[in-house]
Amino acid sequence: EAQVTQNPRYLITVTGKKLTVTCSQNMNHEYMSWYRQDPGLGLRQIYYSMNVEVTDKGDVPEGYKVSRKEKRNFPLILESPSPNQTSLYFCASSFRAPLAGELFFGEGSRLTVL
Amino acid sequence: QQPVQSPQAVILREGEDAVINCSSSKALYSVHWYRQKHGEAPVFLMILLKGGEQKGHEKISASFNEKKQQSSLYLTASQLSYSGTYFCGTEGGGADGLTFGKGTHLIIQP
Repeated sequence: EAQVTQNPRYLITVTGKKLTVTCSQNMNHEYMSWYRQDPGLGLRQIYYSMNVEVTDKGDVPEGYKVSRKEKRNFPLILESPSPNQTSLYFCASSFRAPLAGELFFGEGSRLTVL
Repeated sequence: QQPVQSPQAVILREGEDAVINCSSSKALYSVHWYRQKHGEAPVFLMILLKGGEQKGHEKISASFNEKKQQSSLYLTASQLSYSGTYFCGTEGGGADGLTFGKGTHLIIQP
């Protein structure tokens, strides 16, 4: 089954404790991205990657890191999480960019930073 | 820069029509429309490409005015299942991914 898989789905952590949210797709997609969703703000892009070893900042990259060492994986790293990073995170992928087709979303990861 | 969606929220009776608008300040390569149910991931509805035609999907269709950098989503004879939050996503053609609007909340009442 074609899918984007995120882990963990739910996480409660404390300020400053490094964490990684993993994202994996099995569709051989070149393009992958991370969004955060907050009430009233819609989906805001954090980072995106057009292919292996190529990553770029989105609209809200502060406090986040990513890597793209393999085509299928695109982990989101929070080196020192803060409460303002409490949010719902979505990983998404597409065949390529510019996007001539659908963006496939993972199920989301709800993160709470205390 | 986020595209601007209007209205922010709509409440309809089943069977009524709705229009959701999306406007961008930059030249667009494509416009996407997604629907999100509460607690779920966004689901793709359709994409409109620069130079392309109006798209349709059952009773949901959309248009793209490239010159005005605007798109509209049309929901005809709305059903209860149409309830959710609708997002437009715009792409400028620079391979920088989709920038989404803040969403339009659609509530369909019986």
